[in-house]
Amino acid sequence: EAGVAQSPRYKIIEKRQSVAFWCNPISGHATLYWYQQILGQGPKLLIQFQNNGVVDDSQLPKDRFSAERLKGVDSTLKIQPAKLEDSAVYLCASSLVSDQETQYFGPGTRLLVL
Amino acid sequence: GENVEQHPSTLSVQEGDSAVIKCTYSDSASNYFPWYKQELGKRPQLIIDIRSNVGEKKDQRIAVTLNKTAKHFSLHITETQPEDSAVYFCAAEEGTHNDMRFGAGTRLTVKP
Repeated sequence: EAGVAQSPRYKIIEKRQSVAFWCNPISGHATLYWYQQILGQGPKLLIQFQNNGVVDDSQLPKDRFSAERLKGVDSTLKIQPAKLEDSAVYLCASSLVSDQETQYFGPGTRLLVL
Repeated sequence: GENVEQHPSTLSVQEGDSAVIKCTYSDSASNYFPWYKQELGKRPQLIIDIRSNVGEKKDQRIAVTLNKTAKHFSLHITETQPEDSAVYFCAAEEGTHNDMRFGAGTRLTVKP
């Protein structure tokens, strides 16, 4: 079974530029998550999708971050404009459902904002 | 808001010794508690999880205990090996939307 795929694996941009990340979850997984992991910290949930609908985006900085999962499969996360403090690893995860189910993580996208 | 506290932040043990990592959570409605292992530059990978209907679960050298009354759960690794060296994260499913809240992580070093 293929795992969660993410691209790109690395991205370096300058502050105020925009960037987009892509995630392809495990086939059949209804729930998709985006996490931000700052160096030395645990993953922090940004947004949770159930199929193509947003379940929770309470921790997403909506003035600069946006995410979509239009067809209920792949998802993109965008940052515009980026700030220095956005430097982190952005992890995508998926699970069959959202309640008491294992979340499987992708390899992450390491973002460096200069 | 909801919070998951994890201790210690670093742990160094001799090969063959046991390692224990402890976490506390705040949402009494939490029912699912996974533990993830993350090696440097790699993705977090589930190593064991426990649901609130049991107090203990074991998988070979790894065990997890849960005390719902006290709202804390622990990871126990016995007969540690150098390849157990990694950062370990506890997590608790909390809130209305079953959001996963992660602890800050424990860096475990197993010395040969």
